[in-house]
Amino acid sequence: TQLLEQSPQFLSIQEGENLTVYCNSSSVFSSLQWYRQEPGEGPVLLVTVVTGGEVKKLKRLTFQFGDARKDSSLHITAAQPGDTGLYLCAGVNDMRFGAGTRLTVKP
Amino acid sequence: KAGVTQTPRYLIKTRGQQVTLSCSPISGHRSVSWYQQTPGQGLQFLFEYFSETQRNKGNFPGRFSGRQFSNSRSEMNVSTLELGDSALYLCASSLYTGWNTEAFFGQGTRLTVV
Repeated sequence: TQLLEQSPQFLSIQEGENLTVYCNSSSVFSSLQWYRQEPGEGPVLLVTVVTGGEVKKLKRLTFQFGDARKDSSLHITAAQPGDTGLYLCAGVNDMRFGAGTRLTVKP
Repeated sequence: KAGVTQTPRYLIKTRGQQVTLSCSPISGHRSVSWYQQTPGQGLQFLFEYFSETQRNKGNFPGRFSGRQFSNSRSEMNVSTLELGDSALYLCASSLYTGWNTEAFFGQGTRLTVV
């Protein structure tokens, strides 16, 4: 049973559009990590969020950790084809990963 | 600085056989973790080794085992292979043990059991 639920499972958008993906759990996490995995590669850490309510920005990516530290979101502004990949969240309590959101950005 | 190296990249084995996968961490990293990734179950934690000792273990049967050598290189062994063991096996290295330290993943070994 996945303790971390990610939505949507698949997302296909045009270049330039904005999008938000979600990571939800019934458990409280001390911190949560977001990774991006490209085809044929291992996941690469994007960010670690630690404090409830925290917002972190990484260029066009904005990460938010819920106040109760049970959920998180990733917002991408003006998506580009290079953003294509599998976005995974992981609860740092026990390094349990969500199933991921597979994003495709079409040029 | 070289990244995490996993060998082999691809492997085909027959049901009932055993297999050993290798992971060389980033120089200076002492923690190596192993994961199994499948389309149905996603990315699942197998175990973590730090300074040649298993520090954490996921919920996998005893057929899955590992070890770490004094140079921090790690091997993972799966005995009596089953069709369901077909997966991408990833290892990740980090400086320290514990979940809060940044992990760097290798490209993985894709194992196919026929």
